Formats: sequence, structure tokens, C-alpha cells
Amino acid sequence: LAKTTQPISMDSYEGQEVNITCSHNNIATNDYITWYQQFPSQGPRFIIQGYKTKVTNEVASLFIPADRKSSTLSLPRVSLSDTAVYYCLVGDWENTDKLIFGTGTRLQVFP
Amino acid sequence: DTAVSQTPKYLVTQMGNDKSIKCEQNLGHDTMYWYKQDSKKFLKIMFSYNNKELIINETVPNRFSPKSPDKAHLNLHINSLELGDSAVYFCASSRVKETQYFGPGTRLLVL
Repeated sequence: LAKTTQPISMDSYEGQEVNITCSHNNIATNDYITWYQQFPSQGPRFIIQGYKTKVTNEVASLFIPADRKSSTLSLPRVSLSDTAVYYCLVGDWENTDKLIFGTGTRLQVFP
Repeated sequence: DTAVSQTPKYLVTQMGNDKSIKCEQNLGHDTMYWYKQDSKKFLKIMFSYNNKELIINETVPNRFSPKSPDKAHLNLHINSLELGDSAVYFCASSRVKETQYFGPGTRLLVL
């Protein structure tokens, strides 16, 4: 099972770039890497997904090195509303019973 | 319109009772899921169901059973509730092999 490890918490200031790294040493060939954002009292919300190299959307970028044993979520110019918990999920969508969320990284953005 | 909805939002009940949580999605997805998030914020998948197949996380007690009256609904039934069942339960849905959309969660407290 591809377990994930993330920092428990991170602090940042508005306007800065934030990079959150997730380690997944046992990632399998068919596994994708997905990041979710969760606000208090809400369900997780999809941010970005990738398999290898770099993926970018309107919200974030995801960097995945060639060995795929880690991944980095990059949030450009964070704002106060980005304060949330960010989860790294590694898994094969064909084997959903094996999907494992990481412990999550609590990002606190200060003014 | 809410994409994935759950009822009730809060559920307080006594040990030993049987309760149900309802989930509905209007996204036309063919796969639905139930997750449990405990007090430490660990998010674990319990079930996934796509009309053809129910996949159960082997760690889930058989007191928990999902029931799908139709493609848009996946309800969670819990028998003989225990104190350790207190958690937030999230429903999610997706197209096959695509990312998941989560509901707002149901906060269950067993007294």
C-alpha cells in the first residue's frame, strides 16, 4: 500500500508561494497522485492530479520527480482563504479500497 | 444546486441504536463512496459502489452496510452503534477512474 507522509503544519503569509511536499516511497505503477483541500466543516475538494512530471491548473501546480516517490503541491501567491488542510492521496482508481489519504498538512496563512 | 448532498448534517444517538445516513449526487456519476474521518482527521475509505460492484475496506465492521436504491443514492446503515463510531462521515462520487467529489459530511456522535 502506498502510504504517504506530509508535514503536519505550515505557516505562510499572504502573497507568498507555498510548497507542500508529500512522500510516497511505495507508489505503484498504476497509482496517480491527487491533492485535496479541506476547510473546517466541509468535505475535501479536489485541487489537482498528476502521474508524472508537472501539472498546472488555474489553482496550483504539481511537481512529480522521475522516481515518483514524492510530489510537491505549489500554491502561488496564497491568500487568507487558502488556510485549510491539504491532503495528498496516492492510489489506483480501479482499486478504490486501497486509496489512502495522507495525514494532511494544515496550512495557516497570515496577513 | 449541491452536487453531493448528505442528510442529516448532525446525528446524535445512543449506543446500540441503528441509524442511517443518506447521500445523493446529481452529477451523473456512476461510482459512489463512503469515508470516515476520525477525531485525528484521518480520512479513510469505507466503501465504493458502482452499481456492478461493492468494494469494502476490510477494516470496516460488518455493522456498516451501504445500500443503493438507485444510481444517484448510496445510503449508509449502521447497526448497534458504538462509541468508536463517532466521527464525520463523508459521501463522495465520481466517474469511473476519475477524481471524487465530496459531500459536506455528517457529524455522528454516539453517547
